[in-house]
Amino acid sequence: EPEVTQTPSHQVTQMGQEVILRCVPISNHLYFYWYRQILGQKVEFLVSFYNNEISEKSEIFDDQFSVERPDGSNFTLKIRSTKLEDSAMYFCASRKLLYEQYFGPGTRLTVT
Amino acid sequence: GESVGLHLPTLSVQEGDNSIINCAYSNSASDYFIWYKQESGKGPQFIIDIRSNMDKRQGQRVTVLLNKTVKHLSLQIAATQPGDSAVYFCAENPPSNTGKLIFGQGTTLQVKP
Repeated sequence: EPEVTQTPSHQVTQMGQEVILRCVPISNHLYFYWYRQILGQKVEFLVSFYNNEISEKSEIFDDQFSVERPDGSNFTLKIRSTKLEDSAMYFCASRKLLYEQYFGPGTRLTVT
Repeated sequence: GESVGLHLPTLSVQEGDNSIINCAYSNSASDYFIWYKQESGKGPQFIIDIRSNMDKRQGQRVTVLLNKTVKHLSLQIAATQPGDSAVYFCAENPPSNTGKLIFGQGTTLQVKP
């Protein structure tokens, strides 16, 4: 069964450094998402991406964040200058046409 | 505002019993709802969904009920098994062309053998 994959599973970085989180959505899906989950809290929407552009972003998704689909398979989230409060699980999700979103296993980002 | 909440943070049930997990949502215009299961260290796993034009939907051992009058959603798990132990989130799709999901806080389901 096709699934969303994410790399790395765990990323440790120092405050102020740039990180890139990578996702490979399900191949025939058209809509892509990033969510984050701070430890012990609910999952929060960050950004949605369709037709090679951002379709919606939350207030969390400030100028430090960017997304890209550099080729036909990868979907990346970049944080330019990480802060301590960026420490969280980051989930990528994708969907085909209708509503059902499939989530990846997540990348745990630890900012020290 | 947009928010989805859950009535109870933790639910403990005996193996074999039925479980009912509740959720309240605030956006009456939301047209789609999903229940996700999240095991420790993993991403949310789709369980079942329901559109706003339905009141009930059944899957394998799971049933979702939607009461639009009181903006309430519930997940019923029949014959709960140890493998059902996880955090359960409801999520709503508010009016949007993007399909973003707004998640609730989560209920931890503990199944006692």
